[in-house]
Amino acid sequence: NAGVIQTPRHKVTGKGQEATLWCEPISGHSAVFWYRQTIVQGLEFLTYFRNQAPIDDSGMPKERFSAQMPNQSHSTLKIQSTQPQDSAVYLCASSLDRGLGGRDTQYFGPGTRLLVL
Amino acid sequence: AQKVIQVWSTASRQEGEELTLDCSYETSQVLYHLFWYKHLLSGEMVFLIRQMSSSTAKERSGRYSVVFQKSLKSISLVISALQPDDSGKYFCALWELEVRGSALGRLHFGAGTQLIVIP
Repeated sequence: NAGVIQTPRHKVTGKGQEATLWCEPISGHSAVFWYRQTIVQGLEFLTYFRNQAPIDDSGMPKERFSAQMPNQSHSTLKIQSTQPQDSAVYLCASSLDRGLGGRDTQYFGPGTRLLVL
Repeated sequence: AQKVIQVWSTASRQEGEELTLDCSYETSQVLYHLFWYKHLLSGEMVFLIRQMSSSTAKERSGRYSVVFQKSLKSISLVISALQPDDSGKYFCALWELEVRGSALGRLHFGAGTQLIVIP
């Protein structure tokens, strides 16, 4: 049973370039979450989809960051004009749904380590 | 304000010992869940155990168990019979169900505690 898949595992970009990160949730999971992890800020929530619809993007930087979920099998996080402060580990997680009874446990992928030079 | 606080940034124990990792949280919601995750060197965040606010059961999963003190808004992870592979960073996380019924879904994480198990 495959877990959450994230590609690439590592990405190095130059300042000003675009970075696209991919996430494949666990099959059958309807909720997909993106988080960012840095040494300074720790783990920060970015955005959340349920049944492919954006539910909460309050953690997303207003400029340059966007996320999509075009189908139930993958989500993308795009960062335009990357800056050094965007360097972080980007984690994707999925869960069965947002409800109670254990179906809300979020299972994480291995993350994409982004380095912006 | 930070919702989840893990006071200890590091901890170390000898193999075979038992360890308790503390976490305190802040919420005004009636229904919430608390999770413990372990962050591996590979980057993966592994789910360990969950505690529902509505449950009085002492949750246990293998060598992991929790001590839930709801009135103190505290939850501790207990790891028994420590092994070197238990070394890693442990995160406490809070998930809240808002009163109006629309769960936002996000987890609020603490800063984590780095555990070193000495063989």
